[in-house]
Amino acid sequence: QTVVTQEPPFSVSPGGTVTLTCGLSSGSVSTSHYPSWYQQTPGQAPRTLIYSTNTRSSGVPDRFSGSILGNKAALTITGAQADDESDYYCVLYMGSGIRVFGGGTKLTVL
Amino acid sequence: EVQLVESGGGLVQPGGSLRLSCSASGFTFSSFVFYWVRQAPGKGLEYVSGITNNGGSTYYADSVKGRFTISRDNSKNTLYLQMSSLRAEDTAAYYCVKGYSNGWSHFDSWGQGTLVTVSS
Repeated sequence: QTVVTQEPPFSVSPGGTVTLTCGLSSGSVSTSHYPSWYQQTPGQAPRTLIYSTNTRSSGVPDRFSGSILGNKAALTITGAQADDESDYYCVLYMGSGIRVFGGGTKLTVL
Repeated sequence: EVQLVESGGGLVQPGGSLRLSCSASGFTFSSFVFYWVRQAPGKGLEYVSGITNNGGSTYYADSVKGRFTISRDNSKNTLYLQMSSLRAEDTAAYYCVKGYSNGWSHFDSWGQGTLVTVSS
């Protein structure tokens, strides 16, 4: 059973930089997993931020960036703003149409 | 502009059935893979089911396999999820999600969701 891991609740100061990560319970995350990231604010539908590791979805500000850091996928927010306070989910592609969500990380900006 | 509008949610008793629909507009529906993603109250996102652009290939999470059926009508620009033998743990907001391309691509555009409540 593949488990995609994300951090517990995180906080960042306004204007600060934060990196959220997405790992595997067994093995390393690579570009072959086509990591993608989604933002969800309470009561709203998710929004696609990043796909294929580091490609920003249309309209996503460039303060959001994706990468592989070590054996995990990473989402970095540079210059955090108050409206970045959200839940962030990563998804990894496991082949054959199978995509697995991480449990999400709640980010507080304060 | 991509628009995805889900409908069909509501209250259903355990063991009952429900059919969700997702009406799409603003793009060529038949060119894209589609998905259903759900979120139980206060919980994270779960990928439930997917269907390729021509309906030739489908995916189901183990949690719904044998109970849910995904389908699409490209002539009506509509995606469906037929849910049967519903359980309390199927209670969730169900999101219709457009993929980025015709194959098993990432989740691209999201509908606003429809709420399914399974309770007696």
